[in-house]
Amino acid sequence: DIQMTQSPSSLSASVGDRVTITCRASQNIASYLNWYQQKPGKAPNLLIYAASTLQSGVPSRFSGGGSGTDFTLTISSLQPEDFATYYCQQSYTTPLTFGGGTKVEIK
Amino acid sequence: EMQLVESGGAVVQPGGSLRLSCVASGFTFEDYTMHWVRQGPGKGLEWVSLIRWDDGSTYYADPVKGRFTISRDNSKNSLYLQMNSLRTEDTALYYCVRGVGAYTWFDPWGQGTLVTVSS
Repeated sequence: DIQMTQSPSSLSASVGDRVTITCRASQNIASYLNWYQQKPGKAPNLLIYAASTLQSGVPSRFSGGGSGTDFTLTISSLQPEDFATYYCQQSYTTPLTFGGGTKVEIK
Repeated sequence: EMQLVESGGAVVQPGGSLRLSCVASGFTFEDYTMHWVRQGPGKGLEWVSLIRWDDGSTYYADPVKGRFTISRDNSKNSLYLQMNSLRTEDTALYYCVRGVGAYTWFDPWGQGTLVTVSS
């Protein structure tokens, strides 16, 4: 199985900060990497697919990058509504696997 | 508007069975591979199973293989998950999700249905 490792597992940041979350795959997954945002008590919501394509309706302050084994999710200027947990997910092969999540909290 | 609505979650004893259902609307259900993803209390996301749109082939995560069965009824725009020999570690919120594109991203997600396995 492909293991997905996210770092950090949590972070504290202020409104306006630039935030970067990393996701590392245990083997080459090309660009088969997607990112989700989950707020408490809600289902996850797709942010980015195929490593760097922004889902329709998602603010442009979110961006994704990387390929192969190393990926990033960047929030260019953190907004109050961005405090949530973020997950990466590989779709290169079954079993499809998620990273452990990164909780973004208010400093 | 695309929507997925799950049902069937309940409290069940270890060793018991349960059948989850998901009704889709707002998109052509038969054209998409469908998945179940679960989330244990306070935990991360775990993919459970998929059923392909074209040939109906199915895949399962190792922890549920041999105990869970995914199926679909395209005439009813419905996805199912038959869960047998339930264990306490199966306790989770179960989401029905649509798989999209060559890079298989999940969109949309249902609101989830809660399965609690406890004596």
